[in-house]
Amino acid sequence: TQLLEQSPQFLSIQEGENLTVYCNSSSVFSSLQWYRQEPGEGPVLLVTVVTGGEVKKLKRLTFQFGDARKDSSLHITAAQPGDTGLYLCAGVKRGGSRLTFGEGTQLTVNP
Amino acid sequence: NAGVTQTPKFQVLKTGQSMTLQCAQDMNHEYMSWYRQDPGMGLRLIHYSVGAGITDQGEVPNGYNVSRSTTEDFPLRLLSAAPSQTSVYFCASSWGGNSGNTIYFGEGSWLTVV
Repeated sequence: TQLLEQSPQFLSIQEGENLTVYCNSSSVFSSLQWYRQEPGEGPVLLVTVVTGGEVKKLKRLTFQFGDARKDSSLHITAAQPGDTGLYLCAGVKRGGSRLTFGEGTQLTVNP
Repeated sequence: NAGVTQTPKFQVLKTGQSMTLQCAQDMNHEYMSWYRQDPGMGLRLIHYSVGAGITDQGEVPNGYNVSRSTTEDFPLRLLSAAPSQTSVYFCASSWGGNSGNTIYFGEGSWLTVV
């Protein structure tokens, strides 16, 4: 059983559509991060959220940390082919020190 | 800006062979780690180090050894490769522990054990 469950696992949409990716857990996290990974490369950090209810925006990407710090979401507005990639959430449990990754959401944006 | 450098990029091993995946970072980071990435399982922590001379086990350490003789280098050794170790391996580094710090990943090493 994954500590962090991501949904959906696969998502294929058309350019211009909006989408939301979810990262859920039954555990409380002291911080949560979102990464994007492109083929043949390592993950690259997009954002870190640390406060319950926190919302961060990165251009067309909006990240939210749940009030209870057990879940997070990534919303992309007007998706573009350049958004294609594997999106990974990762978090450190409250009281822990290790970073745990979700299994990832593979996003494909078709022109 | 080299960041985190991993070698080799691709490797094919026969069952039972040994090899070392090299990792070096030039950012003077204290914290370094090795992950493996398998389909549908995200990244799983193999071993990590909080500084030179200090290493510890992660989530899936069996079959792997590490050492940290310098701040810059953190090699991962497979003493007797098994097909179950076929995976993509990522080395990573950061200033401190994982809570809230930016983690920098290498480009990955694709290992196939036949």
